[in-house]
Parts: sequence; C-alpha cells; structure tokens
Amino acid sequence: KQEVTQIPAALSVPEGENLVLNCSFTDSAIYNLQWFRQDPGKGLTSLLLIQSSQREQTSGRLNASLDKSSGRSTLYIAASQPGDSATYLCAVRGGSEKLVFGKGTKLTVNP
Amino acid sequence: NAGVMQNPRHLVRRRGQEARLRCSPMKGHSHVYWYRQLPEEGLKFMVYLQKENIIDESGMPKERFSAEFPKEGPSILRIQQVVRGDSAAYFCASSRTGGGGYNEQFFGPGTRLTVL
Repeated sequence: KQEVTQIPAALSVPEGENLVLNCSFTDSAIYNLQWFRQDPGKGLTSLLLIQSSQREQTSGRLNASLDKSSGRSTLYIAASQPGDSATYLCAVRGGSEKLVFGKGTKLTVNP
Repeated sequence: NAGVMQNPRHLVRRRGQEARLRCSPMKGHSHVYWYRQLPEEGLKFMVYLQKENIIDESGMPKERFSAEFPKEGPSILRIQQVVRGDSAAYFCASSRTGGGGYNEQFFGPGTRLTVL
C-alpha cells in the first residue's frame, strides 16, 4: 500500500529565503508525481507534474526533483514571497488512476 | 476556458438528510475523480468514473455513498442519511486521459459539507 509522507508539517521563513519541501513515498512503482498548492478554504492548484522517467521539472521560481529509486521528491522554492504562503501537497500516481496524497507542508513566508 | 466546477461550494445538512454534490469537468475531459479531505487529514481517493461507468470505487464507503457520471450533465456524489462524520471537504478532479504516464488531474474548488 502506497504511503506518502511530507516533512516538515509546517515551515515558517522570512521573505526572500530559498527553501526545500520534502516528500517521500514507500512504493517506487509510480507513473508520476504532482505537487499542488492549497490555499485556506480553497481547492488545489497543480504546480508541477513529474513523469516517472523524468528527474526534474521547473516552473518559474519552482523546481521539483524526483528520485524514484529512493522514493523521494523535493520542491525547491527560490526567493520566497509572502504570496507563497499556503499548504503544499505532494501526490503520487501508481498503477491505478488514483492519486495518493501526503498530509502537506504548511508554509508561512513572513514579510 | 473554465476549470473544474463544483457546486454547491458550501452545503449544510442535518443528520439523516441527503447530500448531493455536483462536479462539471473541464472542457474536453471525460475522466472524473472524487476525493475527500477530513479535518486534519490528507486527501483520500474515493471513486474514479468515466462517462456512464464507474472504473474504481475502492475508496468509497460501502454504505450510503454513491457516484455517477451520466452521458449528459455533471458527475454527482450522493451521500444518503448523512452523519456528523461525513463533514469534510469533497473535491472533484478531472483529466483528459485516463491511462499512460501523462495524466494530470485538475481540481475543482471543493464542496464543504457540514452535518449538524
């Protein structure tokens, strides 16, 4: 049974800092991994999707890496801004179509 | 170019009533997924549907919950005889394809169900 863990559960940083969010999964047989952002009381916004054959994806100040063999992914956020404050969710898709989610990392970027 | 639409956004029901949650997928998407987010918990998969077919309902509670995605109209998640433990945010997602490696799911804003 796939399990996804995100560390830390919460993170508070000053504006401008570079930061890394971690995601680990127990079953390396995945098709892809997605990073999402969730604002309080809102839905999920897809940030990046990494195929199992890829090592990383970049979008603006975001960079996500995937090491499938070790069951790890990281989301790197450069030059953080207060508008980046949200909960970041990692989800993996295995043989079925369903996504298995971690509980998220709640990020606060202080001005 | 609307995204995934869900309604209502907020729903209040008393114990024993029925709740109907609606989801319209993105244009061109024929695969729909329902997830539930309980307070302080991660999102959990409930059911995966294509038009007129339930493909995977392994995450659905055995009783009181049902889902459909008819040929015409939105997907419906139906909860009969709601209990307080059903209070949660219910999210719908859709994708263009259902197989292969590239299958990005796009999420709606969710329906927040409160059972009194």
